[in-house]
Amino acid sequence: AQSVTQPDIHITVSEGASLELRCNYSYGATPYLFWYVQSPGQGLQLLLKYFSGDTLVQGIKGFEAEFKRSQSSFNLRKPSVHWSDAAEYFCAVGADTGGFKTIFGAGTRLFVKA
Amino acid sequence: GAGVSQSPSNKVTEKGKDVELRCDPISGHTALYWYRQRLGQGLEFLIYFQGNSAPDKSGLPSDRFSAERTGESVSTLTIQRTQQEDSAVYLCASSLVGTANYGYTFGSGTRLTVV
Repeated sequence: AQSVTQPDIHITVSEGASLELRCNYSYGATPYLFWYVQSPGQGLQLLLKYFSGDTLVQGIKGFEAEFKRSQSSFNLRKPSVHWSDAAEYFCAVGADTGGFKTIFGAGTRLFVKA
Repeated sequence: GAGVSQSPSNKVTEKGKDVELRCDPISGHTALYWYRQRLGQGLEFLIYFQGNSAPDKSGLPSDRFSAERTGESVSTLTIQRTQQEDSAVYLCASSLVGTANYGYTFGSGTRLTVV
């Protein structure tokens, strides 16, 4: 069965600074990987996804993520954080295993300071 | 519709009462999912519907929880004899097809408070 670990419960960065949110997954085959963002009081929004091809994927709002098979990681990055990026970020892994469901990590809350 | 619609947005109920939560997915999305998000925690898978196939109920926490979906449209999640530990945000999502490489579109959720 697949699983996802987000080691950081919360992270604080200064506005304009770079950001990296960590995600490690466990799955026996090539996974399908996702990052979602949940802003306060809102539903989850898909930022980006990876399932094949180039291991560096670009998403919305200036985010990118890199799939590293050797490290079982799919870290999310942004070169310059804006105050509006403050939110909860969820990494997720999906797999076609007869049935299908996506497993989500516990989330990382991002705080942005001025 | 344009997005996934969930109702009610908030529900306060007394312990022991039954509640019904509704999800209206995006038109044409064959796959529909229910997740539960407890305060400060990640998303917990509950149930998955894909077209006319038998649903994957492996995430339902107890027999007090059940869900139905009519064809490829509205789904209802029913919790019987609610308990305080059922308090959470219940999120519904849909996707175009039920395969792993499609991202979900989530609704805004129903916040359930059991008092």
